[in-house]
Amino acid sequence: QSVLTQPPSVSAAPGQKVTIFCSGSSSNIENNDVSWYQQLPGTAPKLLIYDNHKRPSGIPDRFSGSKSGTSATLGITGLQTGDEADYYCGTWDSSLSAVFGGGTKLTVL
Amino acid sequence: QVTLRESGPALVKPTQTLTLTCTFSGFSLSTDGMCVSWIRQPPGKALEWLGRIDWHDDKYYSTSLKTRLTISKDTSKNQVVLIMTNMDPVDTATYYCARNGRYSSDYFDYWGQGTLVTVSS
Repeated sequence: QSVLTQPPSVSAAPGQKVTIFCSGSSSNIENNDVSWYQQLPGTAPKLLIYDNHKRPSGIPDRFSGSKSGTSATLGITGLQTGDEADYYCGTWDSSLSAVFGGGTKLTVL
Repeated sequence: QVTLRESGPALVKPTQTLTLTCTFSGFSLSTDGMCVSWIRQPPGKALEWLGRIDWHDDKYYSTSLKTRLTISKDTSKNQVVLIMTNMDPVDTATYYCARNGRYSSDYFDYWGQGTLVTVSS
């Protein structure tokens, strides 16, 4: 059972927007920065968002992140079939461990 | 160009000790702020952080696994080693090493391709 809570799945049509939520607590999200990862089938996770809202070089601005209190959000606009993947949120916890969400499977209908 | 690559046995027997090596390039673990973590993912399941070693040799371990884990580094070889004792079938997973963002505990900017370890007799 993961420390951070994500919906198991989300779906939307090509071109539409989707939002993925990540819920934590005062022990983790509220007092630390959140990151998001995209894991395409059969590949290693890839950093999408760090420090709550920053995008690494090469990540399109269709991907955005935000944080408020004990929750964080990943937004993806202009959905493409190539965005079909598992998405994970992560952060640091007061237990001195990194923690992840359970992952959200995005289906582009 | 930053790269990481995990290596080690694909199959271990229950109760055995697993040793995995992460060989990296494009950065040095002797540089201030650099850290490398180990993360695993059982088939079809979520990511689980195992532990981390810092440039000044501080180590952090998952609370639930700390009694079984040891992480060490060889700066001259650009390698980080993970040792996990008393392996069990539930430890079957793809094991990744990843570089932390500099001075950051919160994110991992480069990942290895992962190595699948199966625990079975």
